[in-house]
Amino acid sequence: DAGITQSPRHKVTETGTPVTLRCHQTENHRYMYWYRQDPGHGLRLIHYSYGVKDTDKGEVSDGYSVSRSKTEDFLLTLESATSSQTSVYFCAIGTGEVSPLHFGNGTRLTVT
Amino acid sequence: GENVEQHPSTLSVQEGDSAVIKCTYSDSASNYFPWYKQELGKGPQLIIDIRSNVGEKKDQRIAVTLNKTAKHFSLHITETQPEDSAVYFCAAREAGGGADGLTFGKGTHLIIQP
Repeated sequence: DAGITQSPRHKVTETGTPVTLRCHQTENHRYMYWYRQDPGHGLRLIHYSYGVKDTDKGEVSDGYSVSRSKTEDFLLTLESATSSQTSVYFCAIGTGEVSPLHFGNGTRLTVT
Repeated sequence: GENVEQHPSTLSVQEGDSAVIKCTYSDSASNYFPWYKQELGKGPQLIIDIRSNVGEKKDQRIAVTLNKTAKHFSLHITETQPEDSAVYFCAAREAGGGADGLTFGKGTHLIIQP
């Protein structure tokens, strides 16, 4: 898994509660990404980072925020979880803008 | 932005036969095309990729072909085995798309029948 650890692997939470997902890498890659995977939609980019404290929005960023205070950690926060955010979330890392992405094993989030 | 269409959504083949998955893309400036394999409960794993200056690339039983004129690329798996059963995703990256320029297809569930 290219040295990528996502935590937690599974989480159930209630609507309206804040949730933070963590991605930790040991590869010292510059780029980190958060994707969500839903049936019929494939993989959609939420946010990405191109360096410490450098982040930008992806295709489906509404309702999500991110932070990257260290090269190895990229956090995804749902400020107030909604049922539409029930999904499997994947973190990915890469060495450059045009480079293969390596994915973690995902976090399954259920919002009740 | 880039749009990637992937077909079929489900493909069932007999063990030992070949499987072909096709993707089309919309942006003629796209220059990088990876394929990922996802097994149940795991993240997508890169299996092969091709850049726009190459028409075909092979790695053992797996090959990818690219037709820039028609804007489509395909994954070919020969002599399929039970462990090839998985969901496969294609993707395309726009030239100049920056770090966020990778767009994925919706996936193909490949089933290898014994």
